[in-house]
Amino acid sequence: AQSVTQLGSHVSVSEGALVLLRCNYSSSVPPYLFWYVQYPNQGLQLLLKYTTGATLVKGINGFEAEFKKSETSFHLTKPSAHMSDAAEYFCAVSVYTGGFKTIFGAGTRLFVKA
Amino acid sequence: DAGITQSPRHKVTETGTPVTLRCHQTENHRYMYWYRQDPGHGLRLIHYSYGVKDTDKGEVSDGYSVSRSKTEDFLLTLESATSSQTSVYFCAISEAGTSPYEQFFGPGTRLTVL
Repeated sequence: AQSVTQLGSHVSVSEGALVLLRCNYSSSVPPYLFWYVQYPNQGLQLLLKYTTGATLVKGINGFEAEFKKSETSFHLTKPSAHMSDAAEYFCAVSVYTGGFKTIFGAGTRLFVKA
Repeated sequence: DAGITQSPRHKVTETGTPVTLRCHQTENHRYMYWYRQDPGHGLRLIHYSYGVKDTDKGEVSDGYSVSRSKTEDFLLTLESATSSQTSVYFCAISEAGTSPYEQFFGPGTRLTVL
């Protein structure tokens, strides 16, 4: 069975500081990995995705994530936080097992302090 | 933005009443999904559809039914609403069949069951 664990339900950083949101997954087959962002009172939007190929993927708004198979991780980073990055972030894993299924993590709320 | 609308956006109802939520898309995507979002749980799949009249259960399907009579519409029905079904419900769509392409999300419906 597949699962996703996001470490830390809340993360607080200062504006300009590094953002690091952690995601570990469990999958019995090669996974496809995603990060979504949710702003207040909105649906989720895709930030970035890993399917195959390069393990360092770049997304929108300066975010990037690295797929590390040996660590079963897909952590999200941004070098310098901006106030507009304050939102909830969801890691998700999708696998194909005759059809495909996506499992979401519980989410990490990012706070950015001025 | 993907053309996905949900109606109603907010609803308050009483325990024991039936409730139907509607998801409408203008993208002609094959796959449609209903999720519920609750604090600490991320998004959990209720039901999904892989074509007109083709639906299947997700991980939290008890107490919910769905119908898809047209490509563009996916209805979620709470047969007899309970307080545990108070949640935010999101519809999503995707293009892919055998590949886990990204999902596009609607704005959500906030349902309160008293």
